[in-house]
Amino acid sequence: DTGVSQNPRHKITKRGQNVTFRCDPISEHNRLYWYRQTLGQGPEFLTYFQNEAQLEKSRLLSDRFSAERPKGSFSTLEIQRTEQGDSAMYLCASSPSGGARAETQYFGPGTRLLVL
Amino acid sequence: AQSVTQLDSHVSVSEGTPVLLRCNYSSSYSPSLFWYVQHPNKGLQLLLKYTSAATLVKGINGFEAEFKKSETSFHLTKPSAHMSDAAEYFCVVSHPSGNTGKLIFGQGTTLQVKP
Repeated sequence: DTGVSQNPRHKITKRGQNVTFRCDPISEHNRLYWYRQTLGQGPEFLTYFQNEAQLEKSRLLSDRFSAERPKGSFSTLEIQRTEQGDSAMYLCASSPSGGARAETQYFGPGTRLLVL
Repeated sequence: AQSVTQLDSHVSVSEGTPVLLRCNYSSSYSPSLFWYVQHPNKGLQLLLKYTSAATLVKGINGFEAEFKKSETSFHLTKPSAHMSDAAEYFCVVSHPSGNTGKLIFGQGTTLQVKP
């Protein structure tokens, strides 16, 4: 299967701990996105990479959040000092380089985080 | 600013009857619009997308949507519902600023299909 993969699929942690999630995009895709989805809501944009460059971050991404894509392939999203409000599904998506119009984003299955 | 409003949080239909999921958008630009579906414990899957070509867009599994600029709407329809259509549906607009392509999702509509 050459779709977007995310690990782990589930994470339970205690408040104050650090967590890291990984996303492996579709191999030829240059663009990578992170979104967060809380229960009963639509996903919200967090951040965007074009190759290894992080080009946009949402105001939702507080200083406790950091994302990297060091070689322009996989990406990691780290949350430091987790809070109960961080409990959500974290979604990764990838797409080919954009032209004048939006390219389709392909989503991974997500990592569900529960902060106790 | 870009936004989408899904007019119904929950829609219930009987199997074999038509489906209508309503979406209105707000955009300062000519928008790209999408419908995604999310089945329980599965990833988001693209149903269809509009990118300024034909206003009637056909998608997978018999779904289609019509872009109506005058009504700023992009409603999703299907002639005959199947039990497997039960899922969460999201209307989505792509934000053109800076050409990032980031997506702005509606709140979602839960489709229930009764036997």
